[in-house]
Amino acid sequence: NAGVTQTPKFRILKIGQSMTLQCAQDMNHNYMYWYRQDPGMGLKLIYYSVGAGITDKGEVPNGYNVSRSTTEDFPLRLELAAPSQTSVYFCASSELAGGPLGANVLTFGAGSRLTVL
Amino acid sequence: EDKVVQSPLSLVVHEGDTVTLNCSYEVTNFRSLLWYKQEKKAPTFLFMLTSSGIEKKSGRLSSILDKKELFSILNITATQTGDSAIYLCAVGLGGKLIFGQGTELSVKP
Repeated sequence: NAGVTQTPKFRILKIGQSMTLQCAQDMNHNYMYWYRQDPGMGLKLIYYSVGAGITDKGEVPNGYNVSRSTTEDFPLRLELAAPSQTSVYFCASSELAGGPLGANVLTFGAGSRLTVL
Repeated sequence: EDKVVQSPLSLVVHEGDTVTLNCSYEVTNFRSLLWYKQEKKAPTFLFMLTSSGIEKKSGRLSSILDKKELFSILNITATQTGDSAIYLCAVGLGGKLIFGQGTELSVKP
């Protein structure tokens, strides 16, 4: 059981380049998320998805795009890389938040460290 | 704007000390409050709290939620060097989870 798999683990980009961070989960979770973590800043939500075909912006969506064509995959696209996007990116997934608890216990991927020079 | 604030941002203690980490929030559509531990890699889940006044415990760690005053605390008793980590508080808002800045705990031998 792989859980949440992110690729690549490390990447260096030049300013203006584009790339896609891949995320896949094999737990049949409906909810998927992308966060970025800067030193001392906790986790900031970039985008999230409540199911295939549905995505929504989080706290810091500018400069990123996502798609959710299948339940399993949730890629994050950086179109024009900027130094401000240097960060560690975490993908996560959770079960459907239903019922009286509405809980979101996230399972995280191992993270992708991106440096933009 | 939904907001989750943790304090202190960093803390240095010695083994055997007891620590209390704080998390306050101002959000709409509150569903749950969660604590995670992060040690140089991905965060791992500690507790989920949905009801006020009910303490959750796991070994030396415990946590409680006050939905009237909008805060939670995480207590760690008899700290060990293995407790050194960043502790993250997050609030579940139905479809999404918003995190605080984290508290970096360092436990010295």
